[in-house]
Amino acid sequence: EPEVTQTPSHQVTQMGQEVILRCVPISNHLYFYWYRQILGQKVEFLVSFYNNEISEKSEIFDDQFSVERPDGSNFTLKIRSTKLEDSAMYFCASRDGNQPQHFGDGTRLSIL
Amino acid sequence: GENVEQHPSTLSVQEGDSAVIKCTYSDSASNYFPWYKQELGKGPQLIIDIRSNVGEKKDQRIAVTLNKTAKHFSLHITETQPEDSAVYFCPLPGGGGSARQLTFGSGTQLTVLP
Repeated sequence: EPEVTQTPSHQVTQMGQEVILRCVPISNHLYFYWYRQILGQKVEFLVSFYNNEISEKSEIFDDQFSVERPDGSNFTLKIRSTKLEDSAMYFCASRDGNQPQHFGDGTRLSIL
Repeated sequence: GENVEQHPSTLSVQEGDSAVIKCTYSDSASNYFPWYKQELGKGPQLIIDIRSNVGEKKDQRIAVTLNKTAKHFSLHITETQPEDSAVYFCPLPGGGGSARQLTFGSGTQLTVLP
C-alpha cells in the first residue's frame, strides 16, 4: 500500500538554525498538509497546500515557517531561526480528491 | 475547525473484550467521520471512516456507527488484542467534507491488558 514517507526520522538542530523537513506524499495525491505534535499535546494543523500554493494555514504557521514543493515528488517544511518551543513531532499528510488524509510517521525535531 | 468531544479519555479493557469510544460533534453539516489510530512513535493512521449517508460500517473487528440525529459517532473494537493498544482520534475535517484540515482532540488512550 502506498505510504507517505518523511525524512529524517529525527533531526537535532541548534537554536537559531534553519531546518528543512522533507516529505514524499503518495504519488497521485494533490493535497498536502503539515501538522505538529508537541510532546504530550494534541496534533495541531499547520498548513495545507494545493496547486502549488498554500490553501490554509493556522496561527502557528507564521513567517518563521514556509513550505515548498520543489519538484514533482517532495513537499518540504522549512523552519527559520528555530526556537526551543519548535521541538515537536512534525507530520506530513496527503490526500487525493475527496479521500481521507494519509499521514507519514513524522520527523522528531529536537532544538537544543 | 469542528468542535468535537471524545469520551472516554482513557480506556482499559481485558484482551478479548470489546471497546467503544464515542465522539460528539456540533456541526450538523458534517458529512464525513474518520477514526485514526496512533501508535507510539508513529503517525496517525486511518482505520475506518463513514459518510453521513450510512449509519454503520464494519471492517473485521472494527466498526463505526453514526447517529446523525444525536450528532455522535462511535468506534467499536471487538475481540480486542494487545496490538489494539494506541491512542484513537476522531478528527473531523473543517467544512464537513474530507477535504479540509483535520482538527484533533486529545484522543482516547486504549490499553488492552493481556
